[in-house]
Amino acid sequence: EVQLVESGGGLVQPGGSLRLSCAGSGFSFSSYWMSWVRQAPGMGLEWVANIRQDGSEKYYVDSVKGRFTISRDNAKNSLYLQMDSLRAEDTAVYYCASGSVTDLDYWGQGTLVTVSS
Amino acid sequence: DIQMTQSPSSLSASVGDRVTITCRASQSISKYLNWYQQKPGKAPKFLIYAASSLQSGVPSRFSGSGSGTDFTLTISSLQPEDFATYYCQQSYSSPYSFGQGTKLEIK
Repeated sequence: EVQLVESGGGLVQPGGSLRLSCAGSGFSFSSYWMSWVRQAPGMGLEWVANIRQDGSEKYYVDSVKGRFTISRDNAKNSLYLQMDSLRAEDTAVYYCASGSVTDLDYWGQGTLVTVSS
Repeated sequence: DIQMTQSPSSLSASVGDRVTITCRASQSISKYLNWYQQKPGKAPKFLIYAASSLQSGVPSRFSGSGSGTDFTLTISSLQPEDFATYYCQQSYSSPYSFGQGTKLEIK
C-alpha cells in the first residue's frame, strides 16, 4: 500500500523558516516525480513545486521562487520542502504527492503550516 | 501562467442525479487536464487524467471530456459518497494550476 506521511509543520513567525518532510513507503520512491501542493484554510488547491526522480529538474510556482527549495533523498525515500522568508499567505496545509511530472496519483494526509506573530 | 476556471462554484443535487461540472482554461491545453475529488478533512483523490481517462479503481459513473480550453466532468448517477469538492488541474505547463473547485452538496 502506498503511504506518504508529511511532518515538520507548525507555527512560525513571519520571516522565519521551516523544513517539511514527506516519507514514502509501499512503492518505488525513486521512480516517481514528487510534488508539494498546498491548501490555505477554507480555500482551494495550489500547486507549489515538483522534482524529477533524480532531482535534476525542479519547478516552482512564482509565489515561492527564491524562498522555497524542494529536494529529495531517494536512499531515505524522503521528500523535503525548505521554506524560508515565510509570509502570512504561506499559511496552509501542505500535501506531498507522488506521480508523474504532472499527475498526482497518491497524496499524503498533509501537515499544517501557520505563519503568524 | 494558465488560469483555470470552474463552474459552478457550488451545486446541489440528489442521489441518482446526473451532474456536470465545467472547467475552462485561459489558453488551449490540448487534453492535458486532470480531475480530483476532495472530501472534508481529507487529501484529494486522483480521478481522471488526460481529460477522459479514468484512474484505476475509479467507478465508471465518472467520466471526463473535452479538449482545447473547455472540459467537463460528469457523474452519471450520484451516489452518497460522491458529495465532495472537485478540482480540475491543467497538466500542460508549469505551474500546474488548479481550478477554484466545485462543491457538490446534497439537495
